[in-house]
Amino acid sequence: EAQVTQNPRYLITVTGKKLTVTCSQNMNHEYMSWYRQDPGLGLRQIYYSMNVEVTDKGDVPEGYKVSRKEKRNFPLILESPSPNQTSLYFCASRRQQGNTEAFFGQGTRLTVV
Amino acid sequence: GQQVMQIPQYQHVQEGEDFTTYCNSSTTLSNIQWYKQRPGGHPVFLIQLVKSGEVKKQKRLTFQFGEAKKNSSLHITATQTTDVGTYFCAGPNSGYALNFGKGTSLLVTP
Repeated sequence: EAQVTQNPRYLITVTGKKLTVTCSQNMNHEYMSWYRQDPGLGLRQIYYSMNVEVTDKGDVPEGYKVSRKEKRNFPLILESPSPNQTSLYFCASRRQQGNTEAFFGQGTRLTVV
Repeated sequence: GQQVMQIPQYQHVQEGEDFTTYCNSSTTLSNIQWYKQRPGGHPVFLIQLVKSGEVKKQKRLTFQFGEAKKNSSLHITATQTTDVGTYFCAGPNSGYALNFGKGTSLLVTP
């Protein structure tokens, strides 16, 4: 079954404690991205990756890092989380060729206290 | 940069009423996609429109792409409680990024 898997689904952490949200896809997609969803603001792109070892900033990259060492994995790293990073996070992947649909993970609800 | 505006932000209808959400882009789009997110769920792809003036139907859902390829709409005929959720339009941005509208949240009362 084609899917994008995120872990964890829910996370409560304290300010400043480094965390990683993992994302893995089994569709051999080149393009992967991270979004955060906040009430009234819709889906805003944090970072994206065109392929292995190729990443770039989206619209709201501050406070986040990513890496793409393997094609299937695209972890999101918060080195020093702050309360304003409390949000719902989605990972998504797409095939690079053609105007194709995005497949989203189940989401990670992060609370930073 | 390219922006995608979506209205209304919220819509509350009685079951059986029609519903329409509108999407407008600041630039001409090569294509536009629509997604649905059920409460507590993740966005799921519904459809893609590519041609100027294109109209596509999925059962009670009708999708339109404007002649100038700068606007689009999603119309639901005779809403049902299963239509509840947030509907997003998305246009391609630089590279392979998708620029999402803020979404329209639809609430259907039985």
